[in-house]
Amino acid sequence: AQSVTQLDSQVPVFEEAPVELRCNYSSSVSVYLFWYVQYPNQGLQLLLKYLSGSTLVKGINGFEAEFNKSQTSFHLRKPSVHISDTAEYFCAVSEGAGGTSYGKLTFGQGTILTVHP
Amino acid sequence: AAGVIQSPRHLIKEKRETATLKCYPIPRHDTVYWYQQGPGQDPQFLISFYEKMQSDKGSIPDRFSAQQFSDYHSELNMSSLELGDSALYFCASSFRRANTGELFFGEGSRLTVL
Repeated sequence: AQSVTQLDSQVPVFEEAPVELRCNYSSSVSVYLFWYVQYPNQGLQLLLKYLSGSTLVKGINGFEAEFNKSQTSFHLRKPSVHISDTAEYFCAVSEGAGGTSYGKLTFGQGTILTVHP
Repeated sequence: AAGVIQSPRHLIKEKRETATLKCYPIPRHDTVYWYQQGPGQDPQFLISFYEKMQSDKGSIPDRFSAQQFSDYHSELNMSSLELGDSALYFCASSFRRANTGELFFGEGSRLTVL
């Protein structure tokens, strides 16, 4: 079984400042890692994913994340945020290739990012 | 590009009533997943189907059932509704054979139980 911990429930930040949303996971098997964004009253949109290969992955809207296997972390970063980035962000994990629960996502508790002008 | 379609988008029911949610996956996707997101909560996995067979089961109450039909659309049936069933229900689909692990989510169906 996997679990995901998002270390901050809320992150307030000013426009054009950098931001980091933290995510740690635990799993006894290899995993795929994801970040999803949810705007109010909307569905979940994939920001980026790590399956294998380079540990630094780039996603949409200028976001990137780094997979750190030794620290079991997958923190999300953006060098300069915009007002439109205000949303809730979910880190998620699933079993990697060959797993018996393919595609079943375990989500973290979510981090509400609020960008102030 | 076609996305995952869910209907209805909003549904209001009374306690002890029955509700049915429908999901139409992206064409050619072979796997459908259902998630429940309570107010202020993270999405919780309910159940999934691969090629019309149940492939995994999560925290789905016995009062709920689901199936995937020959055209790959899926329905989530919820009976004896309780106040605690009020939530946003997401359907997601994927093409398992592509092995990208990526799920594509619909906009969700918001169920309110009064």
